[in-house]
Amino acid sequence: EIMMTQSPATLSVSPGERATLSCRASQSVGTNLAWYQQKPGQAPRLLIYGASTRASAFPARFSGSGSGTEFTLTISSLLSEDVAVYYCQHYNNWARSLTFGQGTRLEIK
Amino acid sequence: QVQLVESGGGLVKPGESLRLSCAASGFPFSDYYMTWIRQAPGKGLERVSYISSSGRTIYYADSVKGRFTVSRDNATNSLYLQMNNLRAEDTAVYYCARGYDFWLYWGQGTLVTVSS
Repeated sequence: EIMMTQSPATLSVSPGERATLSCRASQSVGTNLAWYQQKPGQAPRLLIYGASTRASAFPARFSGSGSGTEFTLTISSLLSEDVAVYYCQHYNNWARSLTFGQGTRLEIK
Repeated sequence: QVQLVESGGGLVKPGESLRLSCAASGFPFSDYYMTWIRQAPGKGLERVSYISSSGRTIYYADSVKGRFTVSRDNATNSLYLQMNNLRAEDTAVYYCARGYDFWLYWGQGTLVTVSS
């Protein structure tokens, strides 16, 4: 099973600053990587898929990059509404193998 | 618009059973794979099961294999999860979601608590 490791566990960023969240796969997943945003008491929301394609509900300040084993979610200018837990998730073409990272909690400094 | 509404959660004792339902609307339900995903309190996400559009292809996580059964009724746009022999570690919010590999549409979740 492919393991997904997110870092850091908690990230504190000042408003307007850049937030960089990392996700590492234990073996190559190509670009089969999604990111989700989850706010307290809510279901996760798909943010990024295919490693870099942003879901339409999210503004351009959110971007995803990477391939293989190293992936990054970047929020270019943090707003208070971005406070949430962010999960990465790998999937393969037939979805038999699919795992989530443990999440990064993003806080406002 | 796409809506997924789960129901059926509650408090049960270890060894008991529960059936979750997910009512879908706003899209051609019979065209889509559907997935159950759970989240234990304060924990991360775990895919529990998925079922193909026809119901012929089914997947279960090892943690629930032999105890949970997923099914669907395309005539009523409904997804089900029959959970038997529940354990404390099954305590979680259970979400239904559209698709099988990554999920744009999720329900609001239903809480299952297994405790004596």
